[in-house]
Amino acid sequence: DAGVIQSPRHEVTEMGQEVTLRCKPISGHNSLFWYRQTMMRGLELLIYFNNNVPIDDSGMPEDRFSAKMPNASFSTLKIQPSEPRDSAVYFCASSFRGLNTEAFFGQGTRLTVV
Amino acid sequence: GDSVTQMEGPVTLSEEAFLTINCTYTATGYPSLFWYVQYPGEGLQLLLKATKADDKGSNKGFEATYRKETTSFHLEKGSVQVSDSAVYFCALSKGNTNAGKSTFGDGTTLTVKP
Repeated sequence: DAGVIQSPRHEVTEMGQEVTLRCKPISGHNSLFWYRQTMMRGLELLIYFNNNVPIDDSGMPEDRFSAKMPNASFSTLKIQPSEPRDSAVYFCASSFRGLNTEAFFGQGTRLTVV
Repeated sequence: GDSVTQMEGPVTLSEEAFLTINCTYTATGYPSLFWYVQYPGEGLQLLLKATKADDKGSNKGFEATYRKETTSFHLEKGSVQVSDSAVYFCALSKGNTNAGKSTFGDGTTLTVKP
């Protein structure tokens, strides 16, 4: 398997624009997580899904953020409108819900909002 | 709720020095414990794990032992190399609960100088 695939790797956008980040989890995994990493706040869990259903979105910072998982092999994180303080590295991770569960991370999307 | 506390960084060592990064946890039930490593510009990747008390995880010369009595999972390496410079995250997961969500520590930055 190619691992968790995120796109794009880098995104630069102007304030106010819509940004969509994409993730393809590892085939067979049934849990998917979106994280945000910044120097100031470290690694933050934004939202996670199990069997394509959102389980907990309490980490989503504002209504400007939304996430979907229309099927087992694809998820999106959308920011609309984007703001400079949204600049961060966004990671997607997947795992198989069960014993000894470890998370497999993508390489991240570095978002810069100017 | 569950939590993970790591030794604060940054940690700076000379090559071939001994490394210890402390990690303690608070959790109900029987979590699995993990150390992840993040190299510059990359996502987190699993370094080692332990799934039950007294288990020792090991990989690439790193070791950590699951100590239930002290709720600890300290990371050690006998002789660090420059290539070990990275951010290290301690984490726990309870497999079948919370969709396998992992709880991460804040990360410890290690710099190894030649």
